[in-house]
Amino acid sequence: DIQMTQSPSSLSASVGDRVTITCQASQDIRKCLNWYQQKPGKAPKLLIYDASNLETRVPSRFSGSGSGTHFTFTISGLQPEDIATYYCQQYDNVPPTFGQGTRLEIK
Amino acid sequence: QVQLVQSGAEVKKPGASVKVSCQASGYTFDSYGVSWVRQAPGQGLQWLGWITPYNGDTHYAQDVQDRVIMTIDTSTSTAYMELRSLRSDDTAVYFCARDGRSNWIHANYFDFWGQGTLVTVSS
Repeated sequence: DIQMTQSPSSLSASVGDRVTITCQASQDIRKCLNWYQQKPGKAPKLLIYDASNLETRVPSRFSGSGSGTHFTFTISGLQPEDIATYYCQQYDNVPPTFGQGTRLEIK
Repeated sequence: QVQLVQSGAEVKKPGASVKVSCQASGYTFDSYGVSWVRQAPGQGLQWLGWITPYNGDTHYAQDVQDRVIMTIDTSTSTAYMELRSLRSDDTAVYFCARDGRSNWIHANYFDFWGQGTLVTVSS
């Protein structure tokens, strides 16, 4: 199975900050990398697919980049409603695998 | 609009089986695969398997492949996940999720999710 390593595991930032989360794959996954946001008690929500494509109706402050083994997820201008846990997920190989998650808190 | 509606919470004893349903609406059911993902309390996301309504092909995670069966009823646009020989570490919220890319040969990205079904395994 492909291992996905996210960092950091938790993060505290202020409203308006630029926030960056990274995801490293244990082997080349091309651009088959997605990002999800999950709030407590809710299902995950797709934000970014294929490394850099913004899902419909997702605010443009969210963005993704990368290919191969190294990927970055960015929130440009953190908002209070962005408090959540964020997960990366690869689908280049079966089984699809998730990173361990990054818990984002407001400072 | 696309919706996935799951069955209600379950409490089971160790060794029993559970069957969770996921009824889809708002799209052409046959064209999109469905994955099942679970989340144990306070933990991350674990993919369990995938099924395509097109021909019933399945892929299962190695961790559960001996205990899980995923099926489809195209007449009611419903996907099912049955997990047998339940253990306490199967206690989790179980989600169904639709593939974002249609007519693919395996799970890709998950653009719509069910609301989750809590399965508690306790003696």
